[in-house]
Amino acid sequence: DTEVTQTPKHLVMGMTNKKSLKCEQHMGHRAMYWYKQKAKKPPELMFVYSYEKLSINESVPSRFSPECPNSSLLNLHLHALQPEDSALYLCASSQVVLAGRSYNEQFFGPGTRLTVL
Amino acid sequence: SQKIEQNSEALNIQEGKTATLTCNYTNYSPAYLQWYRQDPGRGPVFLLLIRENEKEKRKERLKVTFDTTLKQSLFHITASQPADSATYLCALMGSSNTGKLIFGQGTTLQVKP
Repeated sequence: DTEVTQTPKHLVMGMTNKKSLKCEQHMGHRAMYWYKQKAKKPPELMFVYSYEKLSINESVPSRFSPECPNSSLLNLHLHALQPEDSALYLCASSQVVLAGRSYNEQFFGPGTRLTVL
Repeated sequence: SQKIEQNSEALNIQEGKTATLTCNYTNYSPAYLQWYRQDPGRGPVFLLLIRENEKEKRKERLKVTFDTTLKQSLFHITASQPADSATYLCALMGSSNTGKLIFGQGTTLQVKP
């Protein structure tokens, strides 16, 4: 199984709502990522989890809260978002990048299209 | 500061021709460089990876070159088909190997029948 799945496909939420995005992979990857992508822009890294521990937080506002409950699942909890947070949120997974290992192709999910009203 | 540049203008070519996309970078010493394809509204799909000690890599109709002196990678699609129409992203990992992948802006390729 070389697939990363994400739910929901689309999400519309108000600024006071709390919602969660979910991501799952069964490739045995121990690195998982959240990216944000605005229209006609490249994906921007938000968070990296390595062995279920947060290893990179790209100074993301606290209204985005990641969680990695186990090696197959990654969640992104959303609270008090702003309209400018509307974007495509992509989850990805890969083998863990270790010192001396020179590759980590990333497998992306289809994304969740988020609209904040 | 670190910068990755791809042609922001769309590349339009005729079916059957070779498409060549460029990725230039500055202030990086990447251990390797990757190319991804992204269709509208979908996640990127990995295509090829080339390491700093490799000059060229091929996969079917795809070829990637990596010139660490020029700080440039070229991505070629030979015998292009309309189904190759998509946005192509190059991505770099710094030699610190932190797991952080930085993407270029992407070049949109349109192959006309």
